[in-house]
Amino acid sequence: GNSVTQMEGPVTLSEEAFLTINCTYTATGYPSLFWYVQYPGEGLQLLLKATKADDKGSNKGFEATYRKETTSFHLEKGSVQVSDSAVYFCALSRGNNNAGNMLTFGGGTRLMVKP
Amino acid sequence: NAGVMQNPRHLVRRRGQEARLRCSPMKGHSHVYWYRQLPEEGLKFMVYLQKENIIDESGMPKERFSAEFPKEGPSILRIQQVVRGDSAAYFCASSLRTERGETQYFGPGTRLLVL
Repeated sequence: GNSVTQMEGPVTLSEEAFLTINCTYTATGYPSLFWYVQYPGEGLQLLLKATKADDKGSNKGFEATYRKETTSFHLEKGSVQVSDSAVYFCALSRGNNNAGNMLTFGGGTRLMVKP
Repeated sequence: NAGVMQNPRHLVRRRGQEARLRCSPMKGHSHVYWYRQLPEEGLKFMVYLQKENIIDESGMPKERFSAEFPKEGPSILRIQQVVRGDSAAYFCASSLRTERGETQYFGPGTRLLVL
């Protein structure tokens, strides 16, 4: 079956540091890949997505590239801010399937950014 | 442009009572997914519904749990005779499927505490 593995946290960084959160996946076919962010006490917000190999998703300074050869979708940001402190979830879905495109999530990585 | 609405945001029940969670999808969305998040874990898929139909309930416990998405009104996740292990955050997501694919948008969640 499908699975997503992401690095365990917490990840603690100083403001303006470079961020990488690793994510690898196992899936059949051609899944779509997502990063969601969850702030304390809130639901998940879509951060970025990529739907095919070599696509790069980007939003708010965050980027991730769909690497089929390494089955990875690592999240990066060049300069983190305190406001980026949250839990980040990598996820995949089957793509565009009439039987449903339920998301399979990684365990989440908590990011703490210190001033 | 209202997002996905869930209520209540917090629900406290005693063992053996019933919990009823509601989800109103974004306007124009006809697909609803329910997920459960146990403390310090990622989200796990429970059930996928379209209007008046359950499409995939493979992630939902066979007993005590049921879901519906009527023609009119919100989607309902119902848990009968709750037990302490049901304590979790329950999120719904709605989506609109196009030829470009499908992206799920999450509600703020209902945090269920069973005493």
